Amino acid sequence: EPEVTQTPSHQVTQMGQEVILRCVPISNHLYFYWYRQILGQKVEFLVSFYNNEISEKSEIFDDQFSVERPDGSNFTLKIRSTKLEDSAMYFCASSARYNEQFFGPGTRLTVL
Amino acid sequence: GESVGLHLPTLSVQEGDNSIINCAYSNSASDYFIWYKQESGKGPQFIIDIRSNMDKRQGQRVTVLLNKTVKHLSLQIAATQPGDSAVYFCAENLGGGGADGLTFGKGTHLIIQP
Repeated sequence: EPEVTQTPSHQVTQMGQEVILRCVPISNHLYFYWYRQILGQKVEFLVSFYNNEISEKSEIFDDQFSVERPDGSNFTLKIRSTKLEDSAMYFCASSARYNEQFFGPGTRLTVL
Repeated sequence: GESVGLHLPTLSVQEGDNSIINCAYSNSASDYFIWYKQESGKGPQFIIDIRSNMDKRQGQRVTVLLNKTVKHLSLQIAATQPGDSAVYFCAENLGGGGADGLTFGKGTHLIIQP
Protein backbone atom coordinates (compact mmCIF):
# COMPACT_ATOMS: atom_id res chain seq x y z
CA GLU A 1 0.00 0.00 0.00
CA PRO A 2 1.45 3.42 -0.94
CA GLU A 3 2.50 5.59 1.97
CA VAL A 4 4.03 8.94 2.77
CA THR A 5 7.65 8.69 3.89
CA GLN A 6 9.71 11.21 5.83
CA THR A 7 13.40 11.65 6.57
CA PRO A 8 15.11 11.88 8.92
CA SER A 9 13.09 10.26 11.68
CA HIS A 10 14.89 12.38 14.26
CA GLN A 11 16.82 15.62 13.74
CA VAL A 12 18.81 17.33 16.47
CA THR A 13 20.06 20.84 15.83
CA GLN A 14 21.44 23.85 17.60
CA MET A 15 19.33 26.96 18.04
CA GLY A 16 19.84 29.32 15.11
CA GLN A 17 20.74 26.59 12.66
CA GLU A 18 18.84 25.82 9.48
CA VAL A 19 17.08 22.48 9.07
CA ILE A 20 15.42 20.83 6.11
CA LEU A 21 12.83 18.15 6.68
CA ARG A 22 12.09 15.89 3.76
CA CYS A 23 8.98 14.10 2.62
CA VAL A 24 8.05 11.85 -0.26
CA PRO A 25 4.28 12.08 -0.75
CA ILE A 26 2.20 9.31 -2.28
CA SER A 27 3.06 9.32 -5.97
CA ASN A 28 -0.28 10.22 -7.57
CA HIS A 29 -1.23 12.84 -4.99
CA LEU A 30 -1.49 16.48 -5.91
CA TYR A 31 -1.90 18.26 -2.56
CA PHE A 32 0.83 18.37 0.05
CA TYR A 33 0.82 19.56 3.64
CA TRP A 34 3.01 20.11 6.66
CA TYR A 35 1.73 19.88 10.22
CA ARG A 36 3.49 19.94 13.56
CA GLN A 37 2.70 18.44 16.93
CA ILE A 38 4.36 19.71 20.06
CA LEU A 39 4.76 16.90 22.60
CA GLY A 40 1.45 16.05 24.24
CA GLN A 41 -0.53 18.55 22.22
CA LYS A 42 -2.78 18.47 19.20
CA VAL A 43 -1.68 18.43 15.60
CA GLU A 44 -1.41 21.94 14.11
CA PHE A 45 -1.61 22.87 10.44
CA LEU A 46 1.34 24.76 9.00
CA VAL A 47 0.99 24.97 5.23
CA SER A 48 -0.54 23.40 2.16
CA PHE A 49 0.93 23.26 -1.32
CA TYR A 50 -0.65 22.68 -4.70
CA ASN A 51 0.44 23.23 -8.25
CA ASN A 52 3.91 24.33 -7.15
CA GLU A 53 2.76 27.08 -4.85
CA ILE A 54 1.53 27.61 -1.33
CA SER A 55 -2.23 27.28 -1.16
CA GLU A 56 -2.83 28.09 2.49
CA LYS A 57 -0.70 28.77 5.54
CA SER A 58 -1.33 29.24 9.24
CA GLU A 59 -0.07 31.90 11.63
CA ILE A 60 2.67 29.51 12.72
CA PHE A 61 4.16 29.48 9.22
CA ASP A 62 6.09 32.74 9.41
CA ASP A 63 9.07 33.99 7.39
CA GLN A 64 11.36 31.46 9.06
CA PHE A 65 9.55 28.65 7.26
CA SER A 66 9.56 27.76 3.59
CA VAL A 67 8.44 24.81 1.50
CA GLU A 68 9.65 23.50 -1.79
CA ARG A 69 9.00 20.71 -4.24
CA PRO A 70 12.43 20.49 -5.81
CA ASP A 71 11.61 17.58 -8.09
CA GLY A 72 8.72 15.30 -8.95
CA SER A 73 8.87 13.28 -5.77
CA ASN A 74 10.17 15.28 -2.81
CA PHE A 75 8.47 17.92 -0.69
CA THR A 76 10.59 19.79 1.84
CA LEU A 77 10.08 22.06 4.83
CA LYS A 78 12.92 24.43 5.70
CA ILE A 79 13.29 26.30 8.95
CA ARG A 80 15.90 29.00 8.46
CA SER A 81 16.92 29.81 12.02
CA THR A 82 15.55 27.31 14.50
CA LYS A 83 14.26 28.34 17.90
CA LEU A 84 13.77 26.22 20.99
CA GLU A 85 10.02 26.37 20.52
CA ASP A 86 10.35 24.76 17.07
CA SER A 87 10.99 21.45 18.82
CA ALA A 88 8.12 19.21 17.78
CA MET A 89 7.07 16.32 15.57
CA TYR A 90 6.64 17.49 12.01
CA PHE A 91 4.24 15.54 9.84
CA CYS A 92 3.97 15.64 6.09
CA ALA A 93 0.65 14.68 4.50
CA SER A 94 -0.64 14.33 0.98
CA SER A 95 -3.99 13.90 -0.69
CA ALA A 96 -5.22 12.96 -4.13
CA ARG A 97 -8.51 14.72 -3.87
CA TYR A 98 -10.44 16.99 -1.61
CA ASN A 99 -9.51 16.44 2.02
CA GLU A 100 -8.62 12.77 2.54
CA GLN A 101 -5.12 13.44 3.82
CA PHE A 102 -2.64 10.67 4.51
CA PHE A 103 0.13 11.34 7.00
CA GLY A 104 3.73 10.25 7.13
CA PRO A 105 5.42 8.87 10.26
CA GLY A 106 6.87 12.26 11.19
CA THR A 107 10.27 13.78 11.92
CA ARG A 108 11.07 14.57 15.51
CA LEU A 109 12.93 17.87 15.60
CA THR A 110 14.89 18.68 18.74
CA VAL A 111 16.38 22.17 19.02
CA LEU A 112 19.06 22.56 21.68
CA GLY B 1 -11.18 29.56 21.41
CA GLU B 2 -10.53 26.61 19.16
CA SER B 3 -13.07 25.39 16.71
CA VAL B 4 -12.72 21.68 17.39
CA GLY B 5 -12.44 20.09 20.82
CA LEU B 6 -13.06 16.91 22.76
CA HIS B 7 -15.15 16.17 25.82
CA LEU B 8 -12.90 13.58 27.54
CA PRO B 9 -9.12 13.27 27.51
CA THR B 10 -9.03 9.55 28.45
CA LEU B 11 -11.51 6.72 27.87
CA SER B 12 -11.02 3.23 29.27
CA VAL B 13 -13.04 0.37 27.77
CA GLN B 14 -13.09 -3.40 28.31
CA GLU B 15 -11.90 -5.45 25.37
CA GLY B 16 -14.86 -6.55 23.30
CA ASP B 17 -17.06 -3.68 24.42
CA ASN B 18 -18.12 -0.81 22.22
CA SER B 19 -16.59 2.63 22.68
CA ILE B 20 -17.83 6.10 21.82
CA ILE B 21 -15.49 9.05 21.44
CA ASN B 22 -17.01 12.49 21.24
CA CYS B 23 -16.03 15.74 19.63
CA ALA B 24 -17.56 19.21 19.58
CA TYR B 25 -17.03 21.84 16.95
CA SER B 26 -18.02 25.47 16.99
CA ASN B 27 -17.95 26.54 13.35
CA SER B 28 -21.28 25.84 11.68
CA ALA B 29 -19.62 26.46 8.31
CA SER B 30 -17.40 23.39 8.65
CA ASP B 31 -18.32 20.96 5.91
CA TYR B 32 -15.97 18.03 6.32
CA PHE B 33 -14.92 16.02 9.35
CA ILE B 34 -12.36 13.27 9.82
CA TRP B 35 -11.39 10.91 12.59
CA TYR B 36 -7.72 10.01 12.91
CA LYS B 37 -6.03 7.41 15.10
CA GLN B 38 -2.54 8.07 16.39
CA GLU B 39 -0.44 5.37 17.97
CA SER B 40 2.59 6.26 20.03
CA GLY B 41 5.46 7.51 17.87
CA LYS B 42 3.46 7.37 14.64
CA GLY B 43 1.64 9.77 12.40
CA PRO B 44 -2.14 10.18 12.38
CA GLN B 45 -3.88 7.36 10.56
CA PHE B 46 -7.09 8.07 8.65
CA ILE B 47 -10.08 6.14 10.03
CA ILE B 48 -13.25 7.56 8.58
CA ASP B 49 -14.67 10.82 7.29
CA ILE B 50 -18.06 12.41 6.87
CA ARG B 51 -19.39 15.42 5.02
CA SER B 52 -21.88 17.88 6.42
CA ASN B 53 -24.64 16.66 4.10
CA MET B 54 -24.65 13.32 5.94
CA ASP B 55 -25.44 12.40 9.54
CA LYS B 56 -24.02 8.90 9.66
CA ARG B 57 -21.34 6.91 7.93
CA GLN B 58 -20.15 3.39 8.62
CA GLY B 59 -16.88 1.63 8.05
CA GLN B 60 -15.40 -1.60 9.26
CA ARG B 61 -16.22 -1.69 13.01
CA VAL B 62 -16.44 2.11 13.06
CA THR B 63 -19.33 4.51 12.71
CA VAL B 64 -19.19 8.29 12.64
CA LEU B 65 -22.24 10.31 13.62
CA LEU B 66 -22.68 13.98 12.89
CA ASN B 67 -25.24 16.13 14.65
CA LYS B 68 -25.16 19.53 13.01
CA THR B 69 -27.85 20.93 15.28
CA VAL B 70 -25.61 20.73 18.34
CA LYS B 71 -22.32 20.70 16.39
CA HIS B 72 -21.34 17.31 17.70
CA LEU B 73 -19.34 14.49 16.14
CA SER B 74 -18.81 11.01 17.52
CA LEU B 75 -16.81 7.94 16.65
CA GLN B 76 -18.19 4.57 17.62
CA ILE B 77 -15.84 1.58 17.65
CA ALA B 78 -17.55 -1.79 17.90
CA ALA B 79 -16.06 -4.84 19.64
CA THR B 80 -12.88 -3.07 20.68
CA GLN B 81 -9.57 -4.87 20.36
CA PRO B 82 -6.18 -4.23 22.02
CA GLY B 83 -4.96 -2.68 18.77
CA ASP B 84 -7.58 0.03 19.12
CA SER B 85 -5.64 1.56 22.01
CA ALA B 86 -4.44 4.93 20.72
CA VAL B 87 -5.18 8.63 20.76
CA TYR B 88 -8.13 9.57 18.56
CA PHE B 89 -8.42 13.02 17.02
CA CYS B 90 -11.32 14.59 15.25
CA ALA B 91 -10.44 17.14 12.60
CA GLU B 92 -12.43 19.53 10.48
CA ASN B 93 -11.98 21.48 7.33
CA LEU B 94 -13.15 25.03 7.35
CA GLY B 95 -12.46 25.93 3.77
CA GLY B 96 -13.90 25.04 0.44
CA GLY B 97 -10.85 24.34 -1.67
CA GLY B 98 -8.83 21.23 -2.31
CA ALA B 99 -5.72 22.10 -0.35
CA ASP B 100 -7.16 23.38 2.89
CA GLY B 101 -5.53 22.52 6.18
CA LEU B 102 -7.31 20.51 8.81
CA THR B 103 -8.06 21.83 12.28
CA PHE B 104 -7.50 19.12 14.87
CA GLY B 105 -9.03 18.67 18.29
CA LYS B 106 -6.94 17.87 21.36
CA GLY B 107 -7.40 14.09 21.23
CA THR B 108 -8.91 11.35 23.39
CA HIS B 109 -6.70 8.57 24.68
CA LEU B 110 -8.59 5.29 24.30
CA ILE B 111 -7.34 2.52 26.56
CA ILE B 112 -8.56 -1.04 25.96
CA GLN B 113 -8.52 -3.08 29.16
CA PRO B 114 -7.95 -6.85 28.76
